[in-house]
Amino acid sequence: GAVVSQHPSRVICKSGTSVKIECRSLDFQATTMFWYRQFPKQSLMLMATSNEGSKATYEQGVEKDKFLINHASLTLSTLTVTSAHPEDSSFYICSARTHGGSGGGSSTDTQYFGPGTRLTVL
Amino acid sequence: QKEVEQNSGPLSVPEGAIASLNCTYSDRGSQSFFWYRQYSGKSPELIMSIYSNGDKEDGRFTAQLNKASQYVSLLIRDSQPSDSATYLCAVTRTASKLTFGTGTRLQVTL
Repeated sequence: GAVVSQHPSRVICKSGTSVKIECRSLDFQATTMFWYRQFPKQSLMLMATSNEGSKATYEQGVEKDKFLINHASLTLSTLTVTSAHPEDSSFYICSARTHGGSGGGSSTDTQYFGPGTRLTVL
Repeated sequence: QKEVEQNSGPLSVPEGAIASLNCTYSDRGSQSFFWYRQYSGKSPELIMSIYSNGDKEDGRFTAQLNKASQYVSLLIRDSQPSDSATYLCAVTRTASKLTFGTGTRLQVTL
């Protein structure tokens, strides 16, 4: 299967600082990348959808000025958590998809997940 | 009504038995269906994908899809302790975002 990497895997920062998380598709070109957040014992929550070369689409309730997303190339998307606070501590996971299919269901709808980044804000 | 529903479990099965995980979805326009496995503290890992009605087998895993009943299931044969994890059902329309269920926690007991 396709490989998606994330860096860093774990980060601890002080309140008020910004943290950048990188998501890379290693063996395929990802026209679309997704950013999720998962709190302990809860389900994945989609934060935003990122298409290469265009602005990200944020889910309702996600502050776009706080969670900056850049998808400058077909293999790299970044999520920057600005002015992080303890309530931002969570497990952040990206996923990547090649491109949308032409209908009827397709393997190109498959999302491959990165290993996740555990953020702790002190 | 939730868009994708799964029994949260835990579903406990003895080693060597068949584990049956079920999922229902509400969007009749859904075209692609996925099962992901998530170990505690790890990210989801794709187990199976299915796009048309019927069964799809891959090793010990079989996915079953019934679009008329809006139902998708995952069977795990010869369950092993290493299969103990949370299994996430996800559905999507073509070229759209995934909608996840809350997951079913599977425990395979010795």
